[in-house]
Amino acid sequence: EIVLTQSPVTLSLSPGERATLSCRASQSVSAYLAWYQQKPGQAPRLLIYDASNRATGIPARFSGSGSGTDFTLTISSLEPEDFAVYYCQQRSISALTFGGGTKVEIK
Amino acid sequence: QVQLVQSGAEVKKPGSSVKVSCKASGGTFSSYTISWVRQAPGQGLEWMGRIIPILGRANYAQKFQGRVTITADKSTSTAYMELSSLRSEDTAVYYCARSLFDILTGYEVHFFDYWGQGTLVTVSS
Repeated sequence: EIVLTQSPVTLSLSPGERATLSCRASQSVSAYLAWYQQKPGQAPRLLIYDASNRATGIPARFSGSGSGTDFTLTISSLEPEDFAVYYCQQRSISALTFGGGTKVEIK
Repeated sequence: QVQLVQSGAEVKKPGSSVKVSCKASGGTFSSYTISWVRQAPGQGLEWMGRIIPILGRANYAQKFQGRVTITADKSTSTAYMELSSLRSEDTAVYYCARSLFDILTGYEVHFFDYWGQGTLVTVSS
């Protein structure tokens, strides 16, 4: 099973600041990595798929990069509604795993 | 628009089973797979397994093998997840989620574009 490790666990930032979230895979997942945002009491929402493609309706301030084992989600300038938990996810041939999540909180 | 609507909250005794449904609308049931993902209170997301409804083929995460059964009814565009031998650690919100699937090529995308609203399952004596 491929393990995804997200860092940091918590990121304390102010609105307008840049957020950089990391996801590292225990083995290569090529570019088959997605990012989700989850707010309390809500289902996750797809932000990025295939490492760098924004999902429909996702603002341009969200961007993804990376391939192989190291991936980054960047929020260029945090809006109040961006404070949430972010998960990365990969799917290999027979199994699918999520990272442990990064909470972006207001400083 | 695409919607996945799940059944309501459940309270179960340890050792019993629970069956949660996920009804899809606004899309073609044969064009995607349905996965089940759970989230224990204050914890992260955990994939349990998925089914390709048009093929009726399911596969499960190793952790849940033998305890979870995922089925689908093409006539009602509804997927089901049944978890047996419940214990307190199974208390969680259970989500269904959709991945696009091409029956002609057998290709399945690697991400979930739509999610159900979640179903809270509480296991308590």
